[in-house]
Amino acid sequence: GAGVSQTPSNKVTEKGKYVELRCDPISGHTALYWYRQSLGQGPEFLIYFQGTGAADDSGLPNDRFFAVRPEGSVSTLKIQRTERGDSAVYLCASSLTGTAGETQYFGPGTRLLVL
Amino acid sequence: QKEVEQNSGPLSVPEGAIASLNCTYSDRGSQSFFWYRQYSGKSPELIMSIYSNGDKEDGRFTAQLNKASQYVSLLIRDSQPSDSATYLCAVYSSASKIIFGSGTRLSIRP
Repeated sequence: GAGVSQTPSNKVTEKGKYVELRCDPISGHTALYWYRQSLGQGPEFLIYFQGTGAADDSGLPNDRFFAVRPEGSVSTLKIQRTERGDSAVYLCASSLTGTAGETQYFGPGTRLLVL
Repeated sequence: QKEVEQNSGPLSVPEGAIASLNCTYSDRGSQSFFWYRQYSGKSPELIMSIYSNGDKEDGRFTAQLNKASQYVSLLIRDSQPSDSATYLCAVYSSASKIIFGSGTRLSIRP
């Protein structure tokens, strides 16, 4: 079956612009996660959805970052007033139920470059 | 102190030898531990998970967990050039949040 997909694969934007990153999880997976990975670092947790609701958004760095999952499937990560420091690979992952210890399957990521 | 610590490497190992990767974590309540492999420019791929103290073997890979010492390791036997990648140690710190280490770069030299 299809894995986690993310679009776009690459995004170049200018400082101050608004961007949306999309994640399509594995069909039937109720849990969806967003991570950010900077060069030379491991993925950093941003937000976790269980169904349509954000169960844990403690990793969002500030109020410029927002994410939604209105129908419990596709999720969009939204970044307002982008800054050069937002440049990173944004990874999405999904798991079947979100149970602790469950395997998370990662998408290919979106490489965001803010000029 | 970082929540999950790994030596960044690079760790260089001759082909056919055993590669040993180490990780320590700070949250004593953690119950689930993972090793992900990440090739350059690609997303992380799960290769091992371990939940109980001791060893867990899967093919050429063995994960070792010592909760008392808060230590997780990954052994790769008969290392191959295709094993050259960054290996990420990951720990479930709560019901939903995985904390990743910064990764160890492994290079297998022919």
